[in-house]
Amino acid sequence: NAGVTQTPKFRILKIGQSMTLQCTQDMNHNYMYWYRQDPGMGLKLIYYSVGAGITDKGEVPNGYNVSRSTTEDFPLRLELAAPSQTSVYFCASSYADRQETQYFGPGTRLLVL
Amino acid sequence: AQSVTQLGSHVSVSEGALVLLRCNYSSSVPPYLFWYVQYPNQGLQLLLKYTSAATLVKGINGFEAEFKKSETSFHLTKPSAHMSDAAEYFCAVSDPTAGGSYIPTFGRGTSLIVHP
Repeated sequence: NAGVTQTPKFRILKIGQSMTLQCTQDMNHNYMYWYRQDPGMGLKLIYYSVGAGITDKGEVPNGYNVSRSTTEDFPLRLELAAPSQTSVYFCASSYADRQETQYFGPGTRLLVL
Repeated sequence: AQSVTQLGSHVSVSEGALVLLRCNYSSSVPPYLFWYVQYPNQGLQLLLKYTSAATLVKGINGFEAEFKKSETSFHLTKPSAHMSDAAEYFCAVSDPTAGGSYIPTFGRGTSLIVHP
């Protein structure tokens, strides 16, 4: 049981490039989330999904896109990377919402130059 | 809509001293409350959570937190700090979004520094 896995661990992008951050969970969780973490700012929700085929915007969705074709996978797409997207990105999953615990992946550190 | 305030971006204690990390929330309905810990270069993991069963919640590694509705607080404490407690701690609150889902909102985090 690997939990939540994320790839890559680290990536350097040039301004204007695109990339996909991968996230997979093997716990059969319905809910999945993408957060970005910037120093002193906590975690900001980018997108979330309550099940396959259903996604919704979080607090900071601009510049990102997601899809959820399967229960296990929730990739995050960055189009036209900008320096403001330099951050650490965390994927998380939970069985449901309300009081359910979120399980986090190890993170992807992204640097846009 | 909810918000979470963590007082103090950094808290410094000596090994063996009391740890107190503060969290205040605002919510339009009774919330679900969480404390997560993040060790360097890792993801977050759950320390404890309040789900309305009991106001004093015990978590892993000797941490506990008390839900005080009148003060809208959920402060995290540990009687005696260990060097291994040095980490970033996040308070989170979960209450309904416009779409009806309960999606957590995180505080800005408090970095706990433990001195020998």
